[in-house]
Amino acid sequence: GAVVSQHPSRVICKSGTSVKIECRSLDFQATTMFWYRQFPKQSLMLMATSNEGSKATYEQGVEKDKFLINHASLTLSTLTVTSAHPEDSSFYICSVRSGTDTQYFGPGTRLTVL
Amino acid sequence: QQQVKQSPQSLIVQKGGISIINCAYENTAFDYFPWYQQFPGKGPALLIAIRPDVSEKKEGRFTISFNKSAKQFSLHIMDSQPGDSATYFCAAKAGANNLFFGTGTRLTVIP
Repeated sequence: GAVVSQHPSRVICKSGTSVKIECRSLDFQATTMFWYRQFPKQSLMLMATSNEGSKATYEQGVEKDKFLINHASLTLSTLTVTSAHPEDSSFYICSVRSGTDTQYFGPGTRLTVL
Repeated sequence: QQQVKQSPQSLIVQKGGISIINCAYENTAFDYFPWYQQFPGKGPALLIAIRPDVSEKKEGRFTISFNKSAKQFSLHIMDSQPGDSATYFCAAKAGANNLFFGTGTRLTVIP
């Protein structure tokens, strides 16, 4: 399967600061990447679909100005949480799609906003 | 509205036993049904997946049973081991659309 990395694995920041999370597809070129968030003991919630070279598609209820997504290359997508607040504390996971079906997930990034 | 309903929420199984997790869906356009395993603090890992043209798929100790008419599918873990203790998510999607995830099942295998 595809190998997906995320950096950092965990980050703690102060309220009001911005945090950037990187997602890399290590062994194939991904035209589409996905960003999810997961609260403790809950399922994965799709935030947005990141398309290389074009604007991301955000799910209903996800603020695009709050969660900035950049998919600048076929192997890298970034999620920037702007002006983070404690309620943004969550586990953020990216994934890449191989072919039309199979989706591989990164190891996740634990964001804690103080 | 939950597109994929998963049960049970939690499951405790004795080592060596069979773990069974069930999922149901309504959208008949769904044509791909994967199962993911997630350990605490880690991303989900693809376990096994099935398409609706087959009724069963087996990979090692993991088997998916698929009932198209009932719109249900299940994951069976044979000879469950303590190392299988994790949260399992079923999912479904239609064509090139996004994955819809179930709510997850926390499996605990006791020695």
